[in-house]
Amino acid sequence: DSGVTQTPKHLITATGQRVTLRCSPRSGDLSVYWYQQSLDQGLQFLIQYYNGEERAKGNILERFSAQQFPDLHSELNLSSLELGDSALYFCASSQPITDINYGYTFGSGTRLTVV
Amino acid sequence: GENVEQHPSTLSVQEGDSAVIKCTYSDSASNYFPWYKQELGKGPQLIIDIRSNVGEKKDQRIAVTLNKTAKHFSLHITETQPEDSAVYFCAANSNSGYALNFGKGTSLLVTP
Repeated sequence: DSGVTQTPKHLITATGQRVTLRCSPRSGDLSVYWYQQSLDQGLQFLIQYYNGEERAKGNILERFSAQQFPDLHSELNLSSLELGDSALYFCASSQPITDINYGYTFGSGTRLTVV
Repeated sequence: GENVEQHPSTLSVQEGDSAVIKCTYSDSASNYFPWYKQELGKGPQLIIDIRSNVGEKKDQRIAVTLNKTAKHFSLHITETQPEDSAVYFCAANSNSGYALNFGKGTSLLVTP
């Protein structure tokens, strides 16, 4: 157990639907990162939150949004789902201190299948 | 994000041999380079990292080297064991500071 909790583990939904993925970071970590992993694109950075504020944005589609709540858990919302959105979605957390990076701790992911 | 290129995409070695995975990055401001191991059905796990102020770091059978001038870094696994079989990802931090850009992964197979 890495300490980063992602729910649900699996999700099957139809095209056009909306889903919410949830992530609880490791205790003490203030940053949450969302990544999408597909076979042909590898790990693609979507978005980062730090202590409730959006910190950095990657290749996140306009149909996707995220937020981090006061208790530091985060949710990734995916709407108007398309077949191509089928992928593994990972959450990771870290506690960056000043300008020094520390390695992420990843959760076990949510496998999203859009049918 | 900035590009991180990783080679090879697949690597098969015999138990006891060494394995080397190479990555290049494009952002000269990158200063943090972690490596992750992902086993089937699990999330990536940090195995070693290196910062730009050092050229080499070793932890038991794994080592990482960094050449900032050439913008490349490598993972070396010695005395490979079947349990080393997994997908390995290199990464570099981006110009936004904390987000990591990942290579596309190397599937390592260690055969007994």
